[in-house]
Amino acid sequence: GAGVSQSPSNKVTEKGKDVELRCDPISGHTALYWYRQSLGQGLEFLIYFQGNSAPDKSGLPSDRFSAERTGGSVSTLTIQRTQQEDSAVYLCASSLVGGNEQYFGPGTRLTVT
Amino acid sequence: GQQVMQIPQYQHVQEGEDFTTYCNSSTTLSNIQWYKQRPGGHPVFLIQLVKSGEVKKQKRLTFQFGEAKKNSSLHITATQTTDVGTYFCAGPSSGGYQKVTFGIGTKLQVIP
Repeated sequence: GAGVSQSPSNKVTEKGKDVELRCDPISGHTALYWYRQSLGQGLEFLIYFQGNSAPDKSGLPSDRFSAERTGGSVSTLTIQRTQQEDSAVYLCASSLVGGNEQYFGPGTRLTVT
Repeated sequence: GQQVMQIPQYQHVQEGEDFTTYCNSSTTLSNIQWYKQRPGGHPVFLIQLVKSGEVKKQKRLTFQFGEAKKNSSLHITATQTTDVGTYFCAGPSSGGYQKVTFGIGTKLQVIP
């Protein structure tokens, strides 16, 4: 079956603009995670959705970042008023349930100029 | 909060040499997962260990979970250039199975 997909694969935006990143998890996976990875760095947790529970937003770096997951499936990560330090690869992962092995999408490379 | 520490951060080895990366947690883990990220790629799940003292092998890779379930290791025998990448361990955050905390990763370079 299809894996986790993300769009766009690359996004170049001007400082101050808003961006939306999309994640399509594996069908049936109830858990969805967003991570940020700067060049050569580890995985920075951003937000976690599990079923219909309230999301764990503890990793969001500022109130410019928000995410939603509609119908327990597709998720959108929104960054408002982008800054240059937001430049990174944004990875989405899903798992059957929270804590199980995660399947990562190919990521969206965001460049803020 | 619970942290997963991973060492070393970087390792350069000659092709054919062995390689080990270590993962340590401040708290007992219900399970530990290992992932590999090739350069330019995304993390790919390798294995999950659940039992105290568990040892699992995948060809030249040996994964071990400590008796106290606070540490884990990944050992690669006779490295090959295809082993190049970053290896991450990950464990459930304190408070339950839900969120998973990743270690910083060990970046492996194999010199041909």
